[in-house]
Order: sequence, then structure tokens, then C-alpha cells
Amino acid sequence: GESVGLHLPTLSVQEGDNSIINCAYSNSASDYFIWYKQESGKGPQFIIDIRSNMDKRQGQRVTVLLNKTVKHLSLQIAATQPGDSAVYFCAELSTSYGKLTFGQGTILTVHP
Amino acid sequence: NAGVTQTPKFQVLKTGQSMTLQCAQDMNHEYMSWYRQDPGMGLRLIHYSVGAGITDQGEVPNGYNVSRSTTEDFPLRLLSAAPSQTSVYFCASSSPAAGGSRGTQYFGPGTRLLVL
Repeated sequence: GESVGLHLPTLSVQEGDNSIINCAYSNSASDYFIWYKQESGKGPQFIIDIRSNMDKRQGQRVTVLLNKTVKHLSLQIAATQPGDSAVYFCAELSTSYGKLTFGQGTILTVHP
Repeated sequence: NAGVTQTPKFQVLKTGQSMTLQCAQDMNHEYMSWYRQDPGMGLRLIHYSVGAGITDQGEVPNGYNVSRSTTEDFPLRLLSAAPSQTSVYFCASSSPAAGGSRGTQYFGPGTRLLVL
């Protein structure tokens, strides 16, 4: 069945370092892959997405890479800041709307 | 715009009780969804709607009902609460007309539900 999973449940980095959060997926038919950030006590917040026909997409301080050969997705955060501390989820969207499938999540902790 | 609002923020129920979780959005979004999030896990889709009068089941629909009589509101009803329904519930909305990924959903702040 469809599934999205994460390799690392926790990640601790120093302020100013670059962070890389990884995700594996199994549904090759997904249209989009999306990264969300969830802070404590809040709902998920959209960060960036990538269409399935792309390999790389850049945003402000974030880059998402998609490797369809090995079904791997990653989120790179440049110059990580304490405000980046949160749980990060990857999700995949199939062609049927609403069929967002979330991964387990990675806890990112940024130390000053 | 208030975005996506949810009420209540926190609720305690006894097993067997019923209740309705409210969700409203003022962005005129066609699509609305309900998710539950259990500790250490990602969100799982309960029910969703692509427009007023149209609803469909998600990954974990059992024990929940929804209706969509207006574009703005998408209430989630627990018919007979069970301890397994203890969770945090998130409502989300989106609009394909906004462009980009249809997964660009706006989430509400969540409702924490405890079933004893």
C-alpha cells in the first residue's frame, strides 16, 4: 500500500549549520511531495512542495530534492536557526484529492 | 481573514458520548479535510470534501461522520466516543485555484480530545 516514512526520527544541529531531513516513499504514482513544519501545539504549516517530474526545487533557505530512482525525498535547511526547531513531516499527494499521506515525522532541534 | 478555525480547543468525553468538532474557513476554499494525529505519528486522513454537499472517506473513517452543507463549515461528528479516539484533530482547507500543489493545505490549530 501507499506509505511514506522517515529515516531519522530526531536531528540535533547547531545554529548556523545546514540541516538535512530525509524521507522515503513507496507510491510512485504521487503527483506532489510536500514538506510541512509543525511547531508544538500548532497545526502543520506548508514549507515547500515539488512536483513528481522535478528533481529539485528551492525556496527561501530551503531546498527539496527528489530522487525517483530510489524513491527518496529530502529537505535541506540552510543556516538553521533556533526558530526552525519543530517536527518536520513529508507527505505525498496522489491524483485523488485529499489523499495526503504523511510520514512519521522528524524532530529537529537547533542548539544556539 | 481568520483562516481555518476549530472549536473547541480541548474536550474530555466519557466512553459512549457523542460530540461534534467544529471547523470553519473564511477563504472560500472548495476543499476541506479532517485529520487525526496520534503521539509520534503523522496525520491520518479521516474524511474529506471537495465541495458543498460532497464528502468522502479517508484512511481512518470508522466512528466518524461528516457533512458539508456550506462551503465554510465542515463539522466532524463522533457518534459514540471510544478511548481509541483520543487524539489531536486537525481540520484543513485548500483551493486548487490557488495554484501549485493541491496539497498546499491550511491547517487549523487543532482540537485535543481525551476519551475516558
